[in-house]
Amino acid sequence: SAVISQKPSRDICQRGTSLTIQCQVDSQVTMMFWYRQQPGQSLTLIATANQGSEATYESGFVIDKFPISRPNLTFSTLTVSNMSPEDSSIYLCSVETGGGPSGAFFGQGTRLTVV
Amino acid sequence: AQSVTQLGSHVSVSEGALVLLRCNYSSSVPPYLFWYVQYPNQGLQLLLKYTTGATLVKGINGFEAEFKKSETSFHLTKPSAHMSDAAEYFCAVSESIRGGYNKLIFGAGTRLAVHP
Repeated sequence: SAVISQKPSRDICQRGTSLTIQCQVDSQVTMMFWYRQQPGQSLTLIATANQGSEATYESGFVIDKFPISRPNLTFSTLTVSNMSPEDSSIYLCSVETGGGPSGAFFGQGTRLTVV
Repeated sequence: AQSVTQLGSHVSVSEGALVLLRCNYSSSVPPYLFWYVQYPNQGLQLLLKYTTGATLVKGINGFEAEFKKSETSFHLTKPSAHMSDAAEYFCAVSESIRGGYNKLIFGAGTRLAVHP
């Protein structure tokens, strides 16, 4: 298992600004995942982040909007840039442990409201 | 591409009644299937998973699910609902990505309400 801490847990931001979300894992993991959960909707993968390499983005998500850092095996950040109200969502960090499709572990999420 | 359909965005049951949350999947390969629960203002918690082997899988909090390949279903059940079961439930299928890792494709979710 893995314990994942996300900061901040929630924030209210002005449009046009940026917010950086931090994700800390209590063990070393190779791959980290960032998901978005828009209000009343399901989760969608934004990108995967491997330590020491650039993140890989899913269709519809771009690096300029959601830059990701992965400086070591226990930490990652996701930045939501130039925010608009449409970015209001819950952003969740996730890791997969145990090898294979063992199921992912999630942080508690960051609830972002853009006004 | 794989997909997940959860029938019923809202389900309401009485305390002590059977809980049945429906999930159907579409997958071109043998699927790995998951159920997650999300309590208000919290992240997702893994309830149970099916990878291989026994098609009836048991999870935490008294939940279980049965993988039925012929029906492409993975419905979640609990014999007797408890007030604390009120939450959002997500069915998911894993999809292989690079490096042997897997991303999750989620259904739209089902909000379970339990009333006295």
